[in-house]
Amino acid sequence: AQTVTQSQPEMSVQEAETVTLSCTYDTSESDYYLFWYKQPPSRQMILVIRQEAYKQQNATENRFSVNFQKAAKSFSLKISDSQLGDAAMYFCALWDYTSGTYKYIFGTGTRLKVLA
Amino acid sequence: NAGVTQTPKFQVLKTGQSMTLQCAQDMNHNSMYWYRQDPGMGLRLIYYSASEGTTDKGEVPNGYNVSRLNKREFSLRLESAAPSQTSVYFCASIGWLAVRELFFGEGSRLTVL
Repeated sequence: AQTVTQSQPEMSVQEAETVTLSCTYDTSESDYYLFWYKQPPSRQMILVIRQEAYKQQNATENRFSVNFQKAAKSFSLKISDSQLGDAAMYFCALWDYTSGTYKYIFGTGTRLKVLA
Repeated sequence: NAGVTQTPKFQVLKTGQSMTLQCAQDMNHNSMYWYRQDPGMGLRLIYYSASEGTTDKGEVPNGYNVSRLNKREFSLRLESAAPSQTSVYFCASIGWLAVRELFFGEGSRLTVL
């Protein structure tokens, strides 16, 4: 069965500093995708970044980048130059094709606080 | 462009009552999902539908039923609501050829007394 684990319930970072959120996952499939989603207080879910498992190069989106370690099944999110608007819940997610169907599984989330 | 629409946004039920959460998407997506979000538990998959005519159980299906009425609509039914089903419910959809981004509804807050 697929699992996604986020071991940091809460993290804090000073404005303009860098923070890394951790995520580990498990799947028996070779073809899968990993994602980070952001959920601000508005409750809206926003895709931050995605990584295809077959790509060795780590994905980057402006101030957001990932460290994808396939053998270790680790997928961390680095936020550089943190801004007050980055404060939110961050969810790691796994999508793969298992047992003849697609599943999209989320971790328990990390609440990020940005300190002015 | 409405995206994913969920109704109702808020609902209060008494234990034992039934209700249906409606979800519709206008993006011609094949796969649709229902999640519940609870503090400290993240988003847990209740049921999903990979395509029209198919439904499968997710991580926490007990106490729920679903119907994929057509390609657009995927409803979630609570037959006999329990206080443990107090939660925020999200419907989401994903296209076959998309970047596999999930498109979420705004969520439905359900309270069972």
